[in-house]
Amino acid sequence: GQNIDQPTEMTATEGAIVQINCTYQTSGFNGLFWYQQHAGEAPTFLSYNVLDGLEEKGRFSSFLSRSKGYSYLLLKELQMKDSASYLCAVRFSGGYNKLIFGAGTRLAVHP
Amino acid sequence: DVKVTQSSRYLVKRTGEKVFLECVQDMDHENMFWYRQDPGLGLRLIYFSYDVKMKEKGDIPEGYSVSREKKERFSLILESASTNQTSMYLCASSPRWSADEQFFGPGTRLTVL
Repeated sequence: GQNIDQPTEMTATEGAIVQINCTYQTSGFNGLFWYQQHAGEAPTFLSYNVLDGLEEKGRFSSFLSRSKGYSYLLLKELQMKDSASYLCAVRFSGGYNKLIFGAGTRLAVHP
Repeated sequence: DVKVTQSSRYLVKRTGEKVFLECVQDMDHENMFWYRQDPGLGLRLIYFSYDVKMKEKGDIPEGYSVSREKKERFSLILESASTNQTSMYLCASSPRWSADEQFFGPGTRLTVL
């Protein structure tokens, strides 16, 4: 199958840095997305990686290693509002922009 | 501002009822998707459509059907609702071939009693 694995829960302190990892099966890989989802709300897009390396967007960065089937989302200068679930999703070749989602990582930021 | 809307935020139905969940997008996207989201399982794809009247099964299509008669509207149908279909249902849309993300609607929390 096309399993996407990420930790279930993480906790961190306001102002700190947290890294959320995601691993996936490499066969047919065609891009990786990170989404943020606050409780009771729709997922919203954070980042997209298709080539190896780091993509930076303000306090959020996402890294991809295609050969290792590995990505991480790095959140810096954590704020209370960053408490949410973070979803890793992989697009596999086959067209139609179809995504396979991991179960999500629930991040709790404490004062 | 791009938008995906769903007909209801909360819905309560009885076992055996036929249920319609509607999704509308205003971005002229070719692709539309229906997911269900359950704790510990993440988003699972039920059906998707890449054009009007075209549909493809996702990972968990059993017990569901879909309809896409117009480009902007994608309906999910539960022919005979069962309690194990109690879930959060999310609709999404995207352009067909680009690297753009999927845009999600606010979700419908369906409870089947």
